[in-house]
Formats: sequence, structure tokens, C-alpha cells
Amino acid sequence: AQKVTQAQTEISVVEKEDVTLDCVYETRDTTYYLFWYKQPPSGELVFLIRRNSFDEQNEISGRYSWNFQKSTSSFNFTITASQVVDSAVYFCALSDPNTGNQFYFGTGTSLTVIP
Amino acid sequence: NAGVMQNPRHLVRRRGQEARLRCSPMKGHSHVYWYRQLPEEGLKFMVYLQKENIIDESGMPKERFSAEFPKEGPSILRIQQVVRGDSAAYFCASSLRQGEGEKLFFGSGTQLSVL
Repeated sequence: AQKVTQAQTEISVVEKEDVTLDCVYETRDTTYYLFWYKQPPSGELVFLIRRNSFDEQNEISGRYSWNFQKSTSSFNFTITASQVVDSAVYFCALSDPNTGNQFYFGTGTSLTVIP
Repeated sequence: NAGVMQNPRHLVRRRGQEARLRCSPMKGHSHVYWYRQLPEEGLKFMVYLQKENIIDESGMPKERFSAEFPKEGPSILRIQQVVRGDSAAYFCASSLRQGEGEKLFFGSGTQLSVL
């Protein structure tokens, strides 16, 4: 069965610190997609990144970077030099073509950046 | 280009009443998904619709819940005879296509509170 685990429920960091949000997933399929979404206090989910299971290359976008490791079934998200505007709930999700491309979400990590 | 629009943002109902949640997908999107977020949990898939068709309702409770996406107008998620356990945030998402790894665009959600 498909499952996404975000073990960190809440994280607080001081501004300018780096922070890594963990995501571990489970699936028996070889083809799948992983996503990160940000949910700011306004409520909407904002797409951050999509990665397919055949592309393990890490990605960097500004202060954001993602580390995909199939060997450990992890897709971790690092924010460098955190800012107050990064405060939000972050969700990791798995999309599996074998289950109709449903999204399976983790329970989210609430990040608070303290000025 | 307007995003996914959901209304109302907040809905309060007494037990036994009906709740109607509306979702207008992004312009040009014909695929709509409803997800439910219970407190302390991630988003759970409920139903996937295309115009005038329910494609996958495997996540929808068998009773009291229904969804539609008419040819004209928004998608509607309807909950009849609400109970306290229906209190949750209901998110709508849309996509341009339905394929592997297709990105979902989410609305801001409707927070349903049942008194």
C-alpha cells in the first residue's frame, strides 16, 4: 500500500538557520511521483516540486533544495537561510499511476521561523 | 489567470443539515478532485470527476456524501445530514490533464464546522 510519513510534526527555527523536512514514502511500484506542497496560513496548497521515480538527481531552486534517495525511500526538503515567510505547513505527497494517480499525503510538518 | 476557487471559506452547520461546497477549477481544467483534511491528518482523497462524470469515488463515504461536476458551473460536494465527524477542511484541486505525475492545483479549502 502507498504511504507517506512525515515524522516531524512541528519544527521551530530561528531566522537564517537551515532546516530539513523529512519525508519517507512506501510503494511497491517502480513508477511513481513525489511532490512537496506548501500551505501558508491563508490555506491554499502551493505546489513546490515534482519528481518522478526515475530521476534521482537532486534539485535546487533558490533557497530550496530536495534530496531524493530511492535506497532509503526518502524525499527530503531543505530550506537554506530560512525566512519568516517560510512559516507554513509543508506536505509531502506520492502519486501512483497504478492507483489512478491519486495523491497520498503525509500529515504535514508545521514550520515556524522565528525572527 | 484565477486559481482554483472554493466557496464558502467557512461553513457552519448544525447536525442534520445539509452542506454544499463549491469549487471552480482553474480556467481550462476539466479534471476536479476533492480531498478532506481532518485535524492532525494529511489530506485524504475523496473523489475525482471530469465534466458530467464521476471517474473515481473510492475515497467517498458510501452514505450522505455526493459530488457532481456539471457541464456548466462549479463542482459541488454535497453532504447530507451532517454529523460532528464531518467537521474538516475540504479541499478541491484541478488539473489540466489526467496522466502520470500530473500536478494538482489546489484551492484554499472550505472549513466545515458541524455544531
